Formats: sequence, C-alpha cells, structure tokens
Amino acid sequence: ETGVTQSPTHLIKTRGQQVTLRCSSQSGHNTVSWYQQALGQGPQFIFQYYREEENGRGNFPPRFSGLQFPNYSSELNVNALELDDSALYLCASSRGLAGFTDTQYFGPGTRLTVL
Amino acid sequence: AQSVTQLDSQVPVFEEAPVELRCNYSSSVSVYLFWYVQYPNQGLQLLLKYLSGSTLVKGINGFEAEFNKSQTSFHLRKPSVHISDTAEYFCAVSNYGGSQGNLIFGKGTKLSVKP
Repeated sequence: ETGVTQSPTHLIKTRGQQVTLRCSSQSGHNTVSWYQQALGQGPQFIFQYYREEENGRGNFPPRFSGLQFPNYSSELNVNALELDDSALYLCASSRGLAGFTDTQYFGPGTRLTVL
Repeated sequence: AQSVTQLDSQVPVFEEAPVELRCNYSSSVSVYLFWYVQYPNQGLQLLLKYLSGSTLVKGINGFEAEFNKSQTSFHLRKPSVHISDTAEYFCAVSNYGGSQGNLIFGKGTKLSVKP
C-alpha cells in the first residue's frame, strides 16, 4: 500500500505567478485535505475534498482553489502569488467522512518559495 | 472560536529522561483532541487522539496524553525519551460535527533529545 505522495518537492515562483501542487492519496482513500504550514507555525486548514466535491474550507481567499479527480488525487491551485504564500503545503488523505475513527495520513509536503 | 496554545516552543531533554509537552485549548463546545509528530522533512504522523471515554489516552512510540476538561488541557507525556523522539510535536483540536479536516493546530513544540 503506497502512502500519500506530493509533487513537486520544492518550487520557486515569483510574485503574481500561478502555481499548481499535486497530491496522490493513499490507496482506498476518498477524502483529501490541504493545509498551509508557514515557517514556525502549525498547519492551517485550507480546504477538504470528498468524492470530488469541496467539503469545508478554512479562512483562505478564493485565489486558493482545488480539484479532486475520479481517482481521488487532488490539486491545489494558487493564483496571483504573494510573498506570504511561501510555506510548506501539506496534503492529507483519509478513508472517508467517518468522523474521527479515520486517521488522516499526511504527505511529505511541497515547499513553495515566492520571491 | 477554537484555539490551541502550546506553552513551550522548545523543550530540551536528556535521553532516558521523562518529558511533558503542554497543550491548552479553548472552545465553547465539546472537542476532539489530537497530537501529531513531524520529523524533519516529513509530513505529520498521528501519535494519539482523544474522542471520548477514558481521559488517559495511549499512543504510538510510548507516548500518552491526559485530557483534563476542567483545565482545558491535553498534555503529552513520555516516561523515557530516546534520541529518535527528536521532532516537532503539534497539538490539534476539532469540534464535534466537524470533519477531521477542520483541525486547528497549535504552533508546535520542538523536542530536542540530547545524549
């Protein structure tokens, strides 16, 4: 059973550009959540996708958007990048919306640097 | 609104000594509580969670935590640490009814185990 994978590992962009981050969920998982972890901070919830539909969103502007595909992999898109978007972006997958009986499995993250 | 405070940003300790990482939360409703560990350049791994029942929760790698509702605390303990426990530890909270994606994390505590 493969774990959660994310690509790319590192990314450098300039202010105003757009970026797409990718996540492959663990086999058998249909829920994907995205988090932003700024340096020295805990992760902050961006949004969650369940069976290709957005299922909850944190306090992030609309320029943060996402997709989930039929194979349950997911993308995070960020438009009009700002310097404060520099962070580690974490993806987590779980088996479903079974509440807290399901554990979220995190990927290693994508480190985004905005210059 | 819910919030999590991790009282120590860094905790240095010698190998085989006991350790306690402190976590306090605030919420106007009942909550679920979690501890995650993040090793360097890796994603988050669930150590343990409190959903209901016994206030003493045992997790992986010999860690345990105690839920104290009156003090709104969920401190993490280990009786004897190893070098391999060096990592960053995050306390997180979510309220009843929220999906597991809606986790609110503290800022983390860096545990440094010295030989």
